[in-house]
Formats: sequence, C-alpha cells, structure tokens
Amino acid sequence: AQSVTQLDSQVPVFEEAPVELRCNYSSSVSVYLFWYVQYPNQGLQLLLKYLSGSTLVKGINGFEAEFNKSQTSFHLRKPSVHISDTAEYFCAVSSDSWGKFQFGAGTQVVVTP
Amino acid sequence: GAVVSQHPSWVICKSGTSVKIECRSLDFQATTMFWYRQFPKQSLMLMATSNEGSKATYEQGVEKDKFLINHASLTLSTLTVTSAHPEDSSFYICSASQVASYEQYFGPGTRLTVT
Repeated sequence: AQSVTQLDSQVPVFEEAPVELRCNYSSSVSVYLFWYVQYPNQGLQLLLKYLSGSTLVKGINGFEAEFNKSQTSFHLRKPSVHISDTAEYFCAVSSDSWGKFQFGAGTQVVVTP
Repeated sequence: GAVVSQHPSWVICKSGTSVKIECRSLDFQATTMFWYRQFPKQSLMLMATSNEGSKATYEQGVEKDKFLINHASLTLSTLTVTSAHPEDSSFYICSASQVASYEQYFGPGTRLTVT
C-alpha cells in the first residue's frame, strides 16, 4: 500500500516570493509522482510529473519539483509566485502504469500582494 | 491533446431521483476511467475504476448499487447516482488514462446538488 502526506494544509505567500510545497510518500515499490493544481470549481491540471530519469523535474507555469528517493519526498517549488497561483495543489503517487492514484490531502496556496 | 469533458457541469435534482453524469475523452482512447468524489476543501476520493467493456471496480465503502458506472466505449463513461439524497451532493470528477500512459487526464468536474 502507498500513502501520500502533504505537510502543509495552507501556505500563505506574498506575490513575487518563492514558495515550496512539501510532499512525502510511502511505498514499497517504485512510484510515479505527480503534482496537480486545482482552481475553484474546476478539475485538476497537471503541473509536472516524475516517471524516471532526472530527479529535477520542470513543469508548467515556472514550477519545478525534485524527487528524493532516500527521503521519499517530491517537493514542489516556484521561485516567484503570482496572484494567479492562488489555488489548491495536490501531490499524487502511482505505482501502476495504468494510473491508479493516491492523492495527498492538498495544500491551499494563497498569494497576497 | 488529452482532453476530457464532463456533462453536465452543474446539476440540481430532487431527492429520490436519479442523475447521470457523462465523462468523455475527446481526442484519445481511454482504456481506463476513474471516478472521484470531492467534498469542499478536501482531497479527491476515488470511487471506482472502470475499464472499457468490463464491470467497474469499486473502492471499499462505495455503494455500487447507488453509483452505477458504465464504460461502454473507449471514449465514454457514465456515472449514475440512483435515488439521490442530499448527502450525495458533492463535486464529482472523472479522469481517463491510456494504456501504459502513467498519467490521468482530468475532466472539469460536475457539481451535484440534491434538494
């Protein structure tokens, strides 16, 4: 069985400041890792994913994440946030090629001027 | 590419009636589709997984007679909430994946309100 822990339920951040969203997982097998963003009353949009290869993954909208196998983490970062980054962010893990996911509880990012 | 649509985006129904939600993959063949339920300010809860032409696999605690899932083609899956009650009010999201894609593509969600 696998599980995902997002360590922060809410992260307030000022515009143009950096942000880091923490995600830790537990699994006894190899995993595939994802970060999604959800805006109010919308579905999920993929920010980035780690399947294999380089542990530093770059995604859309200036986001990046680093897979750390020894620490079983996949933290999401952005060096400079915008007001439009205010949203809910979900970390997800899968161990299947056909994509059954386990989601974290989510982190609400609130960007203020 | 990899667009998933849901219809309707918002539905209100009376208690005791049934409502059907459609999930379509618009530009790819979805061998597997997933249905999630999301309560306000909470994460997604997987309800069931469906493969085209097969019976859906429901997660523990999900009533399969209440939440009927049909995956009749490689581009369409439906979720029917039967005899809906106010506690069924929620945001329902579908997603779809292709063979060996490792990724899920999410629909925009359907907000169900049962009065």
